[in-house]
Amino acid sequence: KAGVTQTPRYLIKTRGQQVTLSCSPISGHRSVSWYQQTPGQGLQFLFEYFSETQRNKGNFPGRFSGRQFSNSRSEMNVSTLELGDSALYLCASSLSRVEDEQYFGPGTRLTVT
Amino acid sequence: GIQVEQSPPDLILQEGANSTLRCNFSDSVNNLQWFHQNPWGQLINLFYIPSGTKQNGRLSATTVATERYSLLYISSSQTTDSGVYFCAVGSLETSGSRLTFGEGTQLTVNP
Repeated sequence: KAGVTQTPRYLIKTRGQQVTLSCSPISGHRSVSWYQQTPGQGLQFLFEYFSETQRNKGNFPGRFSGRQFSNSRSEMNVSTLELGDSALYLCASSLSRVEDEQYFGPGTRLTVT
Repeated sequence: GIQVEQSPPDLILQEGANSTLRCNFSDSVNNLQWFHQNPWGQLINLFYIPSGTKQNGRLSATTVATERYSLLYISSSQTTDSGVYFCAVGSLETSGSRLTFGEGTQLTVNP
């Protein structure tokens, strides 16, 4: 069974631009979560989607948004990029919302210049 | 929200040595996972262990949920074990799939 996939793997953007990252969960998994990893803040939860609805949101500004499609694939969008948005963005999937093992994708490394 | 503390923050070993990594958490959990982050950034699942004991080869883990801690044991360490180990928990309070991560233990195994 294929693992969680994320595209693109690397991205370089300029301040003020916007970016869209994509995540395809493991087949049959319906819950998708997004995390941001930076050297200063560690791994922080962005949001969780289940059945095309955002179920949980972390403490991030409204510039960070996401969505989930009917096939459980998810995208996250960051508008008006700032230098501090440079990070590794990780996506995780699980079968359901609670008490299920989560599996992570390889991540998208975003650099904002 | 729930707090997760990992210790030690850094650990340097000689190949063949054993080690114990600890994860303390501040509230009841419905999920606890240990991950190893490889040099390219991917989080590799080691254990899903909200309670009890599990073993997988040279690695084993124990979670004592009532006392709010988990331990990861690495025996006969190898250079390929180097990297960052994370403990992550799902809180009964926050619900859903949200995981809260500790700051990690940076393990270096020297040949």
